Amino acid sequence: KAGVTQTPRYLIKTRGQQVTLSCSPISGHRSVSWYQQTPGQGLQFLFEYFSETQRNKGNFPGRFSGRQFSNSRSEMNVSTLELGDSALYLCASSPSPGQWYNEQFFGPGTRLTVL
Amino acid sequence: AQSVSQHNHHVILSEAASLELGCNYSYGGTVNLFWYVQYPGQHLQLLLKYFSGDPLVKGIKGFEAEFIKSKFSFNLRKPSVQWSDTAEYFCAVRGMNTGFQKLVFGTGTRLLVSP
Repeated sequence: KAGVTQTPRYLIKTRGQQVTLSCSPISGHRSVSWYQQTPGQGLQFLFEYFSETQRNKGNFPGRFSGRQFSNSRSEMNVSTLELGDSALYLCASSPSPGQWYNEQFFGPGTRLTVL
Repeated sequence: AQSVSQHNHHVILSEAASLELGCNYSYGGTVNLFWYVQYPGQHLQLLLKYFSGDPLVKGIKGFEAEFIKSKFSFNLRKPSVQWSDTAEYFCAVRGMNTGFQKLVFGTGTRLLVSP
């Protein structure tokens, strides 16, 4: 079974630009979560989608948005990029709700550098 | 709101030494608890998880963790570390009381095992 895939793996942007990151969950998984990983801050939760609906949102400004498609693939968008947005963005997928829903499987991440 | 505290940011051990990484969380209800590991250049992967039952949980690669509810703790242990255990370790908590609760991570502990 293929794992979680994220594209692109690396991205360099300049301040003020916008960026879209993509995540394909493990086949059959319907929940997708996004995290921002930075040194010293660890993983900070961005949002979680299930069945195309945002179920949870972290404490990030409105410049960060996401969506999920009917095939469970997800995208996140960051508009008006700032230097502080440089980070590794991780996507994780989970099986359908139920007790085992809570185990998340992570992708390799997209390394975003903002210049 | 949930929070997770990992007391040690950096740990350096010699091979064969014993390991204990601390994790405390704050949440008033039922929780699911996880330890994830990120080896250099690799994805985050699950080491072990606690959902219910026996509070002593065994994971992969000889790791174990004990859930002590009265102390809100879920410390990770390994009796004898190897050089290949060099990685960053993250504790995570998900509250289970209502609805879709987000998975909250600690800031991580970097473990360096010297041969």
